[in-house]
Amino acid sequence: DIQMTQSPSAMSASVGDRVTITCRASQGISNYLAWFQQKPGKVPKRLIYAASSLQSGVPSRFSGSGSGTEFTLTISSLQPEDFATYYCLQHDSYPLTFGGGTKVEIK
Amino acid sequence: EVQLVESGGGLVKPGGSLRLSCAASGFTFSSYSMNWVRQAPGKGLEWVSSISSSRSYIYYADSVKGRFTVSRDNARSSLYLQMNSLRAEDTAVYYCARENYHDSWGQGTLVTVSS
Repeated sequence: DIQMTQSPSAMSASVGDRVTITCRASQGISNYLAWFQQKPGKVPKRLIYAASSLQSGVPSRFSGSGSGTEFTLTISSLQPEDFATYYCLQHDSYPLTFGGGTKVEIK
Repeated sequence: EVQLVESGGGLVKPGGSLRLSCAASGFTFSSYSMNWVRQAPGKGLEWVSSISSSRSYIYYADSVKGRFTVSRDNARSSLYLQMNSLRAEDTAVYYCARENYHDSWGQGTLVTVSS
């Protein structure tokens, strides 16, 4: 099984900060990685697919990069509505696996 | 517009059974694989099961293998999850999601396993 190690598990940041979240796969997954944002009580929303493609309607301050085993989600300038929990998902092979999540809180 | 609507959640005693449904609309259901994902209270996302468009390929997480059965009815554009031998640790919101890349999600249905 492929393990997805996401870091950090939580972070405090201020509006306007640049935020980087990392997911590391235990083995290569090419670019079969997606990033999701989830706000409390809400459904997860896909932000990035194929590691670096921006979902339609998602602000351009969100970007994804990486291939193989190392992936990053970057928020270039954190906005108030971005405070949420973020998850990565590998869909290269079964069982599909999510990262443990990164909670982005207000500093 | 893609819509996924789950139903069938509720309170069930340990050892009991429940059948979840996911009604799909706004896309050609028979062309897409589908997934179940769950989220225990205050916890992260956990993939549960996947079924291919033609039902040829079915996968389960180890945590539910042998207890849960995924199925689909392409004529009715519906996805199902039969859950047997339920345990307290199965308590979660259950979501259906489209395709392996999970581009669309339902609103979820809460399953509570408690005596």
